Amino acid sequence: EIFLTQSPATLSLSPGERATLSCRASQSLNTDLAWYRQKPGQAPRLLIYGAYYRAIGIPARFSGSGSGTDFTLTISSLEPDDSAVYYCQQRHNWPPITFGQGTRLEIK
Amino acid sequence: EVALVQSGADVKKPGESLKISCKASGYSFTVFWIGWVRQMPGKGLEWIGIINPVDSETRYNPSFQGQVTMSVDKSINTAYLQWNSLKASDTAIYYCERHAGGDGDDYWGQGTLVSVS
Repeated sequence: EIFLTQSPATLSLSPGERATLSCRASQSLNTDLAWYRQKPGQAPRLLIYGAYYRAIGIPARFSGSGSGTDFTLTISSLEPDDSAVYYCQQRHNWPPITFGQGTRLEIK
Repeated sequence: EVALVQSGADVKKPGESLKISCKASGYSFTVFWIGWVRQMPGKGLEWIGIINPVDSETRYNPSFQGQVTMSVDKSINTAYLQWNSLKASDTAIYYCERHAGGDGDDYWGQGTLVSVS
């Protein structure tokens, strides 16, 4: 089983700032990594797949990068609506598909 | 428009059985596998497994194998997740999602809250 470690656990930033969220895998994933956002009381929503491809309807201020074991989700120019928990997910070696433990992003 | 609509919340007692559903619309149901994800109260996401609507082939997370059963009825575009004997530890929100291979889980149901006490 592949383990994903996300950092930081919590991030508190102001509107307009840039957020950088990290995800580290226990073994190489190539680029088989996705990112999801989950707002309180809602289902997760796909943001990024294949490490850097934006999903349909996701604005350009969301970007993904990385390959191998280290990945980053960057949200430029934060908006109040970006408050959520962000999860990375590996789809390289499965079953099982695994998720990171999540990063909670708070917009001040 | 693609949509996955799940059955409503349920409250059960330990030892009871349960089957929750996920009805797909807006796309050809047999093109994509359907997956299930568990979220225990206040916790993160756990992948249960996926099922192929064409032939009901399944891939389970070993942690959930034997604890739950996935099934589909392709005649009504619906996937199911069932328990034969619920435990208090099964209390969680269960999401279905459309498994788009390397393109991620691109559509999700609204979630079904299962409470066991």
